[in-house]
Amino acid sequence: GENVEQHPSTLSVQEGDSAVIKCTYSDSASNYFPWYKQELGKRPQLIIDIRSNVGEKKDQRIAVTLNKTAKHFSLHITETQPEDSAVYFCAAEGYSTLTFGKGTMLLVSP
Amino acid sequence: NAGVTQTPKFQVLKTGQSMTLQCAQDMNHNSMYWYRQDPGMGLRLIYYSASEGTTDKGEVPNGYNVSRLNKREFSLRLESAAPSQTSVYFCASSEQGWTDTQYFGPGTRLTVL
Repeated sequence: GENVEQHPSTLSVQEGDSAVIKCTYSDSASNYFPWYKQELGKRPQLIIDIRSNVGEKKDQRIAVTLNKTAKHFSLHITETQPEDSAVYFCAAEGYSTLTFGKGTMLLVSP
Repeated sequence: NAGVTQTPKFQVLKTGQSMTLQCAQDMNHNSMYWYRQDPGMGLRLIYYSASEGTTDKGEVPNGYNVSRLNKREFSLRLESAAPSQTSVYFCASSEQGWTDTQYFGPGTRLTVL
C-alpha cells in the first residue's frame, strides 16, 4: 500500500519565522494531498490540500508545493504565530485509501 | 449543524470486555471512516464505509467490527478488548470518497486495563 514519510517529527521556531514540513509518498498514481492540523486535545482539521494538476497552492500564510516527479510535497507556513503550534499531518490518496504521515509537532515560541 | 459526533468521549474497559463506539454525521455524507491515533503513529484507518450498505477493512482491522446502520451512523465494536487497543478513536466522514475533505469527530479516548 501507500507509504507516507513525514519530516521532521518536531519543529521549534520563533514567532515570525517560517516553518517547512516535508512529506514523501510511494504511489506514483496518487492525486490528492491534504494537510491536517490538530491542536492539543482537539480533532484534526483540514487546512489546505493540493491535487496533482497543480504545483503550488497558497492560502494566506500557508502554502503547499507538490513535486510529482520526486513524489514529495511540502507545507510552508510563513510569519508563524503562537496559535500555529499544533501537530500537522500530511496525507496522500493512493491504492484506494488515504494514508497519513506520522505527524510533525510544531512549537512556535513568542 | 453538529457535524460529526461521537460517544462516549472517554471509556475505561477491562481486558475481555466489549463495547461499541457510536458515530453520527448530519452533513449527508456518503463515506465514513474509523481511525485510531497512537503516539508517534499518526492516524491509522481501521474500517471505512464508502456508502450506505458497504464496509471495508483498512490498515488495522483486527479485533474490530463495524456497522453502517444508515447513512448517518457508523459504529465501531470491540468484541473482546485488549490493552493494545488503548488509543484515541476518531470517526470521520466525507462527501464522496478519498479525495474529498474528511471531517473528524471529537474523538473517544479508550483505555483497556
